[in-house]
Amino acid sequence: DQQVKQNSPSLSVQEGRISILNCDYTNSMFDYFLWYKKYPAEGPTFLISISSIKDKNEDGRFTVFLNKSAKHLSLHIVPSQPGDSAVYFCAASAGGGGADGLTFGKGTHLIIQP
Amino acid sequence: NAGVTQTPKFQVLKTGQSMTLQCAQDMNHNSMYWYRQDPGMGLRLIYYSASEGTTDKGEVPNGYNVSRLNKREFSLRLESAAPSQTSVYFCASSEMTAVYGYTFGSGTRLTVV
Repeated sequence: DQQVKQNSPSLSVQEGRISILNCDYTNSMFDYFLWYKKYPAEGPTFLISISSIKDKNEDGRFTVFLNKSAKHLSLHIVPSQPGDSAVYFCAASAGGGGADGLTFGKGTHLIIQP
Repeated sequence: NAGVTQTPKFQVLKTGQSMTLQCAQDMNHNSMYWYRQDPGMGLRLIYYSASEGTTDKGEVPNGYNVSRLNKREFSLRLESAAPSQTSVYFCASSEMTAVYGYTFGSGTRLTVV
């Protein structure tokens, strides 16, 4: 049973517009959520995170929103740039600070079109 | 540059052969992890080591063994490779808390024929 779901395998957005990537989770024990970005032939790189006690976290062009009641989080990228084209993974931690591993979604391939 | 180093980057094995994937980090992190990535499956945790001297199974441990050699090094061993183990393997490390995320290596692409 998949505990972290990214239901859109791919997303195409025009350069300069907003990109919104979505993630749903089923495990109510998750208390920390993270987004990773991955380019081909490279390892994932940490992008932004949010604790379950918050509903929003911003870092430059990236904002993550958390709706605990809906068990849903989203990553907003504004404005989208060509270098943002990558696979984005949503991940979650169920206590323990993540030392016992993160649970990842299947990823969304974001394509920024010129 | 500080980070996570994985060797080898590519490997082809015959069914039944064994091999060890090496991973080393120089960030003085306590926790280390092995993940595999398959098409359409995201990243799945194989084994992890929350601290030096401890190892635990993750979601997909069957067919693998691990050794936390010291604080820096965490190796993954395939005793008898099977085609189902064809995958990209990523090693990662972190502090005890996930607040700042994990640092991943660049991966090992393994093909078992």
